[in-house]
Order: sequence, then C-alpha cells, then structure tokens
Amino acid sequence: ETGVTQSPTHLIKTRGQQVTLRCSSQSGHNTVSWYQQALGQGPQFIFQYYREEENGRGNFPPRFSGLQFPNYSSELNVNALELDDSALYLCASSLAGTGIGELFFGEGSRLTVL
Amino acid sequence: AQSVSQHNHHVILSEAASLELGCNYSYGGTVNLFWYVQYPGQHLQLLLKYFSGDPLVKGIKGFEAEFIKSKFSFNLRKPSVQWSDTAEYFCAVEQRSNYQLIWGAGTKLIIKP
Repeated sequence: ETGVTQSPTHLIKTRGQQVTLRCSSQSGHNTVSWYQQALGQGPQFIFQYYREEENGRGNFPPRFSGLQFPNYSSELNVNALELDDSALYLCASSLAGTGIGELFFGEGSRLTVL
Repeated sequence: AQSVSQHNHHVILSEAASLELGCNYSYGGTVNLFWYVQYPGQHLQLLLKYFSGDPLVKGIKGFEAEFIKSKFSFNLRKPSVQWSDTAEYFCAVEQRSNYQLIWGAGTKLIIKP
C-alpha cells in the first residue's frame, strides 16, 4: 500500500462531457503528478503540482487542468472529453519539490469515453 | 522529442533463467533513471533508481541495472528469475533540465513455473 488513493476507480462518460478525478497523496508528500496511461503504453506525464501551483506540464491541451489543495490532495479536470481520452489516469505523490525522485502511485482511475 | 525505448514488449522465461530487459533513451543531457514494476493487480512501484555515482545499481528482489552513458542505456538484469517476478516493467527517464519523467511502453514479463 502506498497511501495514495484515487477516486473514482472506474467511470464512463460520453464525448463532450467533463470529468473530475481526485487524488489523496501519501502523508507528508507535497508534490502530486498526474499521468495518462493508454492501453499498451507507458504513462504519459500530464502535469505536476507543488505547493498548490503547477510547476511542470507535458504535451496535453489546456482542457486538461488541475488543482492542488492545502492538504496536498489534488484534482484532475478534463473538459470536452474526446474518445482518445479513454485511459487509466494515475496520480503519484512524492516529497521532492523541484525534482521528481521516487514516485508513489495510486491504483488509478479508469476513464472510458463513449 | 525525447523518448524511451524498451526493446521487448513481451518476454517469457522459465524459472531460474537469467533476465535482461533493455532500455534506451534519446535525451542527451543529464538524467535520472528509474525502473518501475507493476505486479498483477497492484500499483506501480519503484524497483531501482540511478541518480549519480556507481553506474551499477541494485534494487529490490535481486534486480540490478547498469547505466551506460555512451550507449544511452539502462538495462535491467536479474541472474535467476522466479515465478513471482511475473509483472510489467517500465523504464523511466527524468530530464534534470525540467524534471519531466518520460516512460517507456513497458515490458510484460511472464515466468513459467
């Protein structure tokens, strides 16, 4: 067990809808990263939050947005869902501020877009 | 664009066989290197990491990896695999310039008892 929890574990949405995924980081970790893992691929970095501010972003459009709260938990929001957004979304927490170091992952939220 | 290549998507071995999983990356700058493992039904977890120093690093469960800078490689090895090593293995490279972690596509390892 890593102490990183994600919700919901599974969800189904239709094209054009919006989704919010949630993540509670491991106790004491101040950095949260979000990844998208499509079937048969490795995780792709979406963005990272440190002390409530985004401090790194991968190659994802602005309709992917996030928040980090004072207790270091985090949300990933995706607007105007597309079929290609169907994937496993992973949250990972860590202690590092500017370097990633070791990541502790949650089980993921599996999103299906119909 | 920077990329990480894992040479084999699927590997099937018998117990006690030796294992080597290849990982190559394209980034020319300074990097941190990781191998993560995902056992069936479990979350991703760190197997081993390299930041600096001795290029031969040892991880959990008897795994080791060697960083060869001239070859941009970080191959994972284990002298004798066990059935419990059945899992998916991911190589990941962190660029120190922006701390972005780039992942390989993963290698599914199946160990036959």
